[in-house]
Amino acid sequence: GESVGLHLPTLSVQEGDNSIINCAYSNSASDYFIWYKQESGKGPQFIIDIRSNMDKRQGQRVTVLLNKTVKHLSLQIAATQPGDSAVYFCAEARYNQGGKLIFGQGTELSVKP
Amino acid sequence: DTEVTQTPKHLVMGMTNKKSLKCEQHMGHRAMYWYKQKAKKPPELMFVYSYEKLSINESVPSRFSPECPNSSLLNLHLHALQPEDSALYLCASRKSPTNEKLFFGSGTQLSVL
Repeated sequence: GESVGLHLPTLSVQEGDNSIINCAYSNSASDYFIWYKQESGKGPQFIIDIRSNMDKRQGQRVTVLLNKTVKHLSLQIAATQPGDSAVYFCAEARYNQGGKLIFGQGTELSVKP
Repeated sequence: DTEVTQTPKHLVMGMTNKKSLKCEQHMGHRAMYWYKQKAKKPPELMFVYSYEKLSINESVPSRFSPECPNSSLLNLHLHALQPEDSALYLCASRKSPTNEKLFFGSGTQLSVL
């Protein structure tokens, strides 16, 4: 069935390096994508979003890239810090399904000092 | 106020108990959501309320009963739960049911004995 998924379940990076977390989606009708960060014992925290009419969006230390041709989404974190350690979820919203948000499987990011 | 507040933070209940989870937001959001999340898994959508009306029920068992008393409050009534219902229950809200940021609460960690 259709789903939003992530390529890697875990990612380990050195403090100060850049991190790239990837996500694949299967529904070409999806028109809105969000990245969430979830720390242990907390709810998902909004990081950045992007609409399907854009290819790139930047926030503070984070960039989201959207490649609609291959249905691929990525989150880039610059100068990764220990506080960035968490599980990162991509999520996809399908306008024709009443705004339902479908989550990918998640990538656990570990930052080594 | 940009928070979604959930109470209680932790709940332990027996299989014959009746309990309720509560969620509150004062951001004027007109779409509210219940998600269920198992450890190391992505959140799974349970219910969506749009303008105080139930718009999506993801085939959730009837032992879970949602209620939206007004535009700021969302409840989840629990009755005769099973141990496999133990999970983190997340409430979320957004301005409207269309594609916009979804804000999450910190969740209620539920254990069913």
